[in-house]
Amino acid sequence: GAVVSQHPSRVICKSGTSVKIECRSLDFQATTMFWYRQFPKQSLMLMATSNEGSKATYEQGVEKDKFLINHASLTLSTLTVTSAHPEDSSFYICSARDTLGNQPQHFGDGTRLSIL
Amino acid sequence: DQQVKQNSPSLSVQEGRISILNCDYTNSMFDYFLWYKKYPAEGPTFLISISSIKDKNEDGRFTVFLNKSAKHLSLHIVPSQPGDSAVYFCAAPSGSARQLTFGSGTQLTVLP
Repeated sequence: GAVVSQHPSRVICKSGTSVKIECRSLDFQATTMFWYRQFPKQSLMLMATSNEGSKATYEQGVEKDKFLINHASLTLSTLTVTSAHPEDSSFYICSARDTLGNQPQHFGDGTRLSIL
Repeated sequence: DQQVKQNSPSLSVQEGRISILNCDYTNSMFDYFLWYKKYPAEGPTFLISISSIKDKNEDGRFTVFLNKSAKHLSLHIVPSQPGDSAVYFCAAPSGSARQLTFGSGTQLTVLP
């Protein structure tokens, strides 16, 4: 079946560090990828929609300069948390949908980001 | 405004019995619904979906029912197994990018 790979799975770093998370679709091409954030015991909240070859669309309240998204190819999107602070600590999950726009979206295994 | 709601944060069921997870929605424009299963520290895994033109979809032990007039859907798991213990999210796509809106999730615990 379709597989989405997300890397790294866990990051622990000091405040002020920038952290890059990669999301790859392994056996299909994804024009659109999505980045979600999940706080403990809460739902997945959409942060932004990443479109190959164009600027990402951010949800209200998400700082685009804080969360840089690059979708340079049909199989790779990256999320960079710039100058991370403890309040950015969270579980970040990406998902991808194939170029035909078919559901379901397939999800990566997430990245646990802990900022000290 | 929470467009997809799961009002039960948790559910415990005995192994072999039926698990019924509920989901309500407010947006009448939703035309497709999905259920995902999620283990801790992992991404959601797709389980089953249903189009709004149907009222039932079945896949093995999993059946999803849709009541459009009530804006309600439910996921039935029978028989429930301990390995089914996880958080279950219902979701619906919307918008030009068909991004998913998730419910808050229900923690299912199947007791052996």
